Amino acid sequence: DVVMTQSPLSLPVTPGQPASISCRSSQSLVHSDGSTYLYWFQQRPGQSPRRLIDKVSNRGSGVPDRFSGSGSGTDFTLKLSRVEAEDVGVYYCMQGTQWPPTFGQGTKVEIK
Amino acid sequence: EVHLVESGGGLVQPGGSLRLSCAASGFSFGIYWMAWVRQAPGKGLEWVANINQDGSQKYHVASVEGRFTVSRDNAKNSLDLQMNSLRDEDSGVYYCVRDAGWYNCDCWGQGSLVTVSS
Repeated sequence: DVVMTQSPLSLPVTPGQPASISCRSSQSLVHSDGSTYLYWFQQRPGQSPRRLIDKVSNRGSGVPDRFSGSGSGTDFTLKLSRVEAEDVGVYYCMQGTQWPPTFGQGTKVEIK
Repeated sequence: EVHLVESGGGLVQPGGSLRLSCAASGFSFGIYWMAWVRQAPGKGLEWVANINQDGSQKYHVASVEGRFTVSRDNAKNSLDLQMNSLRDEDSGVYYCVRDAGWYNCDCWGQGSLVTVSS
């Protein structure tokens, strides 16, 4: 299985400041069809996960533009340009290039 | 608006069985792959199984293969997960998920809690 490794696992942030989460895969996530099936999810406390980003950098419907995704191959990043209080929660990357789909361990974002 | 509502969770003894259901509404259920993703208490997310649009293709991760079976009824807009020979490590919240293609989990239910304990 493809192993997804996130860092940091805990991220204290100051409101209004930027934040960044790294996700690395044990194998390239470039599919034979040329696409890279890398997703980012947000799970607020007590809620179900919510998709933020699909295929590395496509923001989902209703996702604020302060969230952005980038990367290629085995290295990916989720960036928040200005953290807001509502961004508190756990963030997961997930690969869908190879079966079975696998998730990173999660990065807990909290306000300082 | 898309709604996915899970039911059927509860407390079961090791070795027992449970059947989860997911009622879907607000979209054309029959044109989507569907999936189950679980989350152990205080832990991360784990893919469990998925099924194609007409139910002819079913995939289960190794840890549940031979014990769990995913199925669907497009006439009833429902997705099921039959869980047999349950183990302590199967405990957690089970989410019903819409797959928009290539495991693109664009909609999640609220989850159903399964507790396996003696």
